Amino acid sequence: DADVTQTPRNRITKTGKRIMLECSQTKGHDRMYWYRQDPGLGLRLIYYSFDVKDINKGEISDGYSVSRQAQAKFSLSLESAIPNQTALYFCATSRDGELFFGEGSRLTVL
Amino acid sequence: AQSVTQLGSHVSVSEGALVLLRCNYSSSVPPYLFWYVQYPNQGLQLLLKYTTGATLVKGINGFEAEFKKSETSFHLTKPSAHMSDAAEYFCAVSRNYGQNFVFGPGTRLSVLP
Repeated sequence: DADVTQTPRNRITKTGKRIMLECSQTKGHDRMYWYRQDPGLGLRLIYYSFDVKDINKGEISDGYSVSRQAQAKFSLSLESAIPNQTALYFCATSRDGELFFGEGSRLTVL
Repeated sequence: AQSVTQLGSHVSVSEGALVLLRCNYSSSVPPYLFWYVQYPNQGLQLLLKYTTGATLVKGINGFEAEFKKSETSFHLTKPSAHMSDAAEYFCAVSRNYGQNFVFGPGTRLSVLP
């Protein structure tokens, strides 16, 4: 089983809908991240959390919100999805300077 | 602010040929440097990292990278490409170890038979 699990893996939705992407980890790491991947842009940081009570905005947080429900769970929400939020989203944890990624959630907003 | 550039969004090599993927960074202080690989339909996984000490770093699958402070570079090499090396490769920097990772745009490596 994967150490960092993302659900759903694929989602197609319509403009204006609320979407939640969920991430759970069994690695026991305090630090968790949400990244967005777009072709030619690499990965850009949306939000990160260094523990349950610590939430920080990343480079591109506008239009997104997060919730750290427990050490193991970190969810990303799009309150009102728009087409330019179509992307591949990755959750990651880190320890000792290394990031551990989930397999990604591909979101398409029509 | 830190930034990472990777020369060449797509690199093609023949099987058995040298692989060279370029990475340059801008940072006001010596950074921590990483190479990650992404195979199709998978998340990223760490290939290698430079923190302190020896500037030539060896990673998994025969890859290595050399930190050159004077050139602000951290190029990734492998002496002989294998078909299984076909993937996307990302260079990343972190000014504070374990925090604030900044990724380059990625280089897609194709290996031709």
